[in-house]
Order: sequence, then structure tokens, then C-alpha cells
Amino acid sequence: DVKVTQSSRYLVKRTGEKVFLECVQDMDHENMFWYRQDPGLGLRLIYFSYDVKMKEKGDIPEGYSVSREKKERFSLILESASTNQTSMYLCASSLTTERTIYEQYFGPGTRLTVT
Amino acid sequence: KNQVEQSPQSLIILEGKNCTLQCNYTVSPFSNLRWYKQDTGRGPVSLTIMTFSENTKSNGRYTATLDADTKQSSLHITASQLSDSASYICVVCMDSNYQLIWGAGTKLIIKP
Repeated sequence: DVKVTQSSRYLVKRTGEKVFLECVQDMDHENMFWYRQDPGLGLRLIYFSYDVKMKEKGDIPEGYSVSREKKERFSLILESASTNQTSMYLCASSLTTERTIYEQYFGPGTRLTVT
Repeated sequence: KNQVEQSPQSLIILEGKNCTLQCNYTVSPFSNLRWYKQDTGRGPVSLTIMTFSENTKSNGRYTATLDADTKQSSLHITASQLSDSASYICVVCMDSNYQLIWGAGTKLIIKP
């Protein structure tokens, strides 16, 4: 079974703090993703990575950065947390081969509150 | 604009009853359509993935249909159980770049 774990289920931070969200997958997947999920909206892609040290901006990268130093680990960084970054953050991973349908496997999510 | 719209936003049914959730999309070019189940406070879990050529796909009590001509999909749940209470999310994958377009989900509540 694919397992994607996230470092925290719940996190409370203050405005201006630097926040690190960690995600680890154990299936040797090339691709990893960070999404945020807000009520009434579909998941929105923040960043994704298709290989170690590679990253691509998603739909809403502003205010975030990422790091992928090892294949199994993908970190999301909020350089200076703001209240509008209060959200549920979901990490996912997937395999990919050219022109093949790939499945995304999600972690349990981190509910971040910025006060 | 590439969009996925789901209806209803929320639904409450009695345990044992059937229900159908709708998904309409305007995504092009189309690669595949997925249905996810998301329990409260958890990450989404895949139920089905359907390509252009597939009309129907089942996963236990869940049956998804796809009409690529009208760009509509449905998820039918048979003999609902309390554990079916969750949000159900429709996701369309674009063929050009594998970008995923996510619907906002339908929140389903099963009452005993």
C-alpha cells in the first residue's frame, strides 16, 4: 500500500512566522504535489515536483516555496505566514510514465491556522 | 475556461437508499475523469478513473458513468451506508499537460 504521511495533522502559527510542512512517501514516486483546500473550492495546486531538486509552480504559488532534496520528501514552506494562508494543506504523490494514467495518493492533510 | 462543476453541493439521504451525484465539465483536451471520496479531516481517496472510451465503471457499491459527448459524469451509490458520509470530488485530467481540474465536491450525509 502506498503511504503518504504529513508531519502534523493540526498546526497553529502566528502571523509572520516561518512555517514548514513536511510530506514523506514510501513508494518511490517521482511526482509530489502540494495542494490547499478551502471550503466551497476545489483543491488548488500550490507547487509540484517531478524529480529531486525540481519544482514547478502550480496555480497559487505566491507566498509559498518548496524543497525536494530527497525523492521521498517534499516540503512546503510559508516564508511569512499570513491569516489568509489558514487552510487545509494536502500532499500527494504519484508515479508517471509517458502517456500513462497516473493515480495520485494523498496524505491525511495538515490543518493550519494562522492567528 | 476549464471548469468542473458538481451538483448538488450537499445531500442528505437515509441509510439504505440510493443516490446519484453529478459532475459537468468544460475541460479540453480531456484525458480522464476521476472520482475521489474524502472523509472529513482526511485526504481524498480514489474511487474510479475513467478514460474517454469508458462509459461505466464500478467499484463495489459505487458506479461512475461518463458521457464524453455531453461532458457529464455521475456517481451512483447503491444501498448507502453510514460510512458513505463524505465529500465526493470529481476531477478531470487534461490531456495536454496532465493538469488536474478539481470540482468543489458534493458533501453527502447518510442518516440512520
